[in-house]
Amino acid sequence: GAVVSQHPSWVICKSGTSVKIECRSLDFQATTMFWYRQFPKQSLMLMATSNEGSKATYEQGVEKDKFLINHASLTLSTLTVTSAHPEDSSFYICSAHGDSYNEQFFGPGTRLTVL
Amino acid sequence: DQQVKQNSPSLSVQEGRISILNCDYTNSMFDYFLWYKKYPAEGPTFLISISSIKDKNEDGRFTVFLNKSAKHLSLHIVPSQPGDSAVYFCAASARGGSEKLVFGKGMKLTVNP
Repeated sequence: GAVVSQHPSWVICKSGTSVKIECRSLDFQATTMFWYRQFPKQSLMLMATSNEGSKATYEQGVEKDKFLINHASLTLSTLTVTSAHPEDSSFYICSAHGDSYNEQFFGPGTRLTVL
Repeated sequence: DQQVKQNSPSLSVQEGRISILNCDYTNSMFDYFLWYKKYPAEGPTFLISISSIKDKNEDGRFTVFLNKSAKHLSLHIVPSQPGDSAVYFCAASARGGSEKLVFGKGMKLTVNP
């Protein structure tokens, strides 16, 4: 299957700072990337869908000004959590979909802890 | 409203036996279903999928069955191995896997040696 990486794998930051998380498709071109969030013992909740070169589509209840998503190339999407607060602490996971596959492939996730 | 439901939070089976994981969905627009396996602090790993035009798909020890009339699918793992112990998520999408996935809450499978 295809490989998707995320960086960083974990990050600790102070409240009020911004954090950028990268999602890369390593061996295929991802026309669509998805960002999910998972709370402990909960399911993955889709935050937004991004297509290369266009604005992301956010799910209901997700603040687009707080969670900035950029999908500038077919292999890279970034999620920036702006002015992070402790309630933003979570496990953030991206997935990527390319024309060569029917499935989405997931990155390993990023654990964000906001102090 | 939860569109994809995994009603049993956990399952424990003996090594070598069959594991059956169930999933129900409510949205009749879903036409593509997937199973993912997830370890703590890792991203989900794709296991197997099935399109709504099929009722069964098999890949090695993993078989997924789809009953469209009942809006139900199941994942069978035979024989179960201790390395299969993980959380399994059922997911569904409309118009193929390129559309956003809706996940169930997951089921923790424990395979005892």
